[in-house]
Amino acid sequence: NAGVTQTPKFQVLKTGQSMTLQCAQDMNHEYMSWYRQDPGMGLRLIHYSVGAGITDQGEVPNGYNVSRSTTEDFPLRLLSAAPSQTSVYFCASRVDPNSNQPQHFGDGTRLSIL
Amino acid sequence: GENVEQHPSTLSVQEGDSAVIKCTYSDSASNYFPWYKQELGKRPQLIIDIRSNVGEKKDQRIAVTLNKTAKHFSLHITETQPEDSAVYFCAASINFNKFYFGSGTKLNVKP
Repeated sequence: NAGVTQTPKFQVLKTGQSMTLQCAQDMNHEYMSWYRQDPGMGLRLIHYSVGAGITDQGEVPNGYNVSRSTTEDFPLRLLSAAPSQTSVYFCASRVDPNSNQPQHFGDGTRLSIL
Repeated sequence: GENVEQHPSTLSVQEGDSAVIKCTYSDSASNYFPWYKQELGKRPQLIIDIRSNVGEKKDQRIAVTLNKTAKHFSLHITETQPEDSAVYFCAASINFNKFYFGSGTKLNVKP
């Protein structure tokens, strides 16, 4: 199993550009989520999904869209990039949304908005 | 929403000493409290967790305690080793869906 795979690992954007951060898992996990981690801070939940076709907002959803058309993939879209969205983005998955099974994190995407 | 506060922000201990990191939460409905370790430039990894129906949980040199009345929980690391040096995050969750993280504690274990 590859686990949770995030692409790209690094990206530089200009203000106003849009892009999609990819997240894929091959563990048949129902629960997937996106976090952002700013320097010196903990992770903040952007969006999450408890299964294919179901998504919900987290703590900081503004400026981001998600979709979950398959169990494996959970892309995060930045609609119009802003410097405040410069951060490290982590995708995570968990086998069951209703249990305390551990979250598996990807390696992160380092995103800079100029 | 939930607010999780974590202290201290940095902690320096001598190898072999104990380290304690404390977190408080605001929403009494929170019922699951994981702790993560994150090495520089790496992904967070779960090291221990506790559910609200348990007061204490241990795993070798690591333990977590929970006081639901006071709404705080703590991570205890005994016999610290240099490889324990990392940033540690606490988190709180209601029913395992939304997770709220503390701001992190940078632990430095001096050989």
